[in-house]
Amino acid sequence: EPEVTQTPSHQVTQMGQEVILRCVPISNHLYFYWYRQILGQKVEFLVSFYNNEISEKSEIFDDQFSVERPDGSNFTLKIRSTKLEDSAMYFCASSGFMNTEAFFGQGTRLTVV
Amino acid sequence: AQTVTQSQPEMSVQEAETVTLSCTYDTSESDYYLFWYKQPPSRQMILVIRQEAYKQQNATENRFSVNFQKAAKSFSLKISDSQLGDAAMYFCAQSSGSRLTFGEGTQLTVNP
Repeated sequence: EPEVTQTPSHQVTQMGQEVILRCVPISNHLYFYWYRQILGQKVEFLVSFYNNEISEKSEIFDDQFSVERPDGSNFTLKIRSTKLEDSAMYFCASSGFMNTEAFFGQGTRLTVV
Repeated sequence: AQTVTQSQPEMSVQEAETVTLSCTYDTSESDYYLFWYKQPPSRQMILVIRQEAYKQQNATENRFSVNFQKAAKSFSLKISDSQLGDAAMYFCAQSSGSRLTFGEGTQLTVNP
């Protein structure tokens, strides 16, 4: 069964460093997303991506965040200068159509120290 | 802005019994989807069931079913014949544009 895969599963980084979280969406999906979940809290939308551009972003997704689809299979989230409060589980998701169910990856746990 | 509310932070059920998890939402849109996701201790988000708002018939997926009340903006999840593997955090979510808005979650415990 097709699935969304994320790497790494756990990343520890020092405050101020740049991190790149990687995702391989389901191959025939057209919409890609990043969500985050701070420990003990609900899942929050960060950004959606379609046709090689951002289609929607939340207020959380400020200038320190960027997304890219560098080739036909990968979808990345870059955090330029990490802060302690960026520590969270980051989920990548994809869907075949907008407004339908999103299939989530297993998540990347980011710890900023 | 869309809001999704789950008023039960924790629920418990005996194995083989039935449990219902509540969810309400607020939206001005007429066409949207609603979902229940399960998050076990591994923290992966697993889709349990979905409901299209334009469909009056409640969705069913094996032991999982929903009670969708569009006018009341209510979307509850019923789990029948509960199993130990059903123990997890359950999130209700509503689609709006290209984003999902999630509720706070309900932690379900299944007692043997």
